[in-house]
Amino acid sequence: EAGVVQSPRYKIIEKKQPVAFWCNPISGHNTLYWYRQNLGQGPELLIRYENEEAVDDSQLPKDRFSAERLKGVDSTLKIQPAELGDSAVYLCASSLDGGTSTDTQYFGPGTRLTVL
Amino acid sequence: KQEVTQIPAALSVPEGENLVLNCSFTDSAIYNLQWFRQDPGKGLTSLLLIQSSQREQTSGRLNASLDKSSGRSTLYIAASQPGDSATYLCAVNFLGDYKLSFGAGTTVTVRA
Repeated sequence: EAGVVQSPRYKIIEKKQPVAFWCNPISGHNTLYWYRQNLGQGPELLIRYENEEAVDDSQLPKDRFSAERLKGVDSTLKIQPAELGDSAVYLCASSLDGGTSTDTQYFGPGTRLTVL
Repeated sequence: KQEVTQIPAALSVPEGENLVLNCSFTDSAIYNLQWFRQDPGKGLTSLLLIQSSQREQTSGRLNASLDKSSGRSTLYIAASQPGDSATYLCAVNFLGDYKLSFGAGTTVTVRA
């Protein structure tokens, strides 16, 4: 079974440029998460989807970040314009049914973003 | 604020020694707790998930315990090997949150 797929793996851009990350979750997983991981820290949730609905975007900086999950499968996270402080690893995860005590999240390899 | 703390931040042991990794959290009302492994430049691999109603989970050389009342979990790795070198992250799914709150991780080095 294929795991969570993310692309690109690495991205280097100059500040003020736009950037987009793509995620394909594990087949059949209804819940999709985007996390951001700064160096030396644990991941922090940006947004959570149940199917195509964003049910928790309270930590998403909405002035520059946007996300979508069309048809409840693939998802795209966008930053426009990027700032120096956005340099981090962006992780996508999926799970069968978020909110249950047995729900395990599976993570993709992440996209390492460097903003110059 | 619900927080997850992992101490120490780094640990170095000789091969064969047992590893003990600690995780503490501020609220006992949880769905579950997960331990992850992260290798440099890679994503997270789930190791063990302990449900709120459970006291421990085991998988091979790994054993994780959960004490909700004291807000603690411990990951034991028996007979460590150089291949166990990685960062280990503890994550808690607090009730009503539906997301994982992570600690900063413990970076383990097993010396051959």
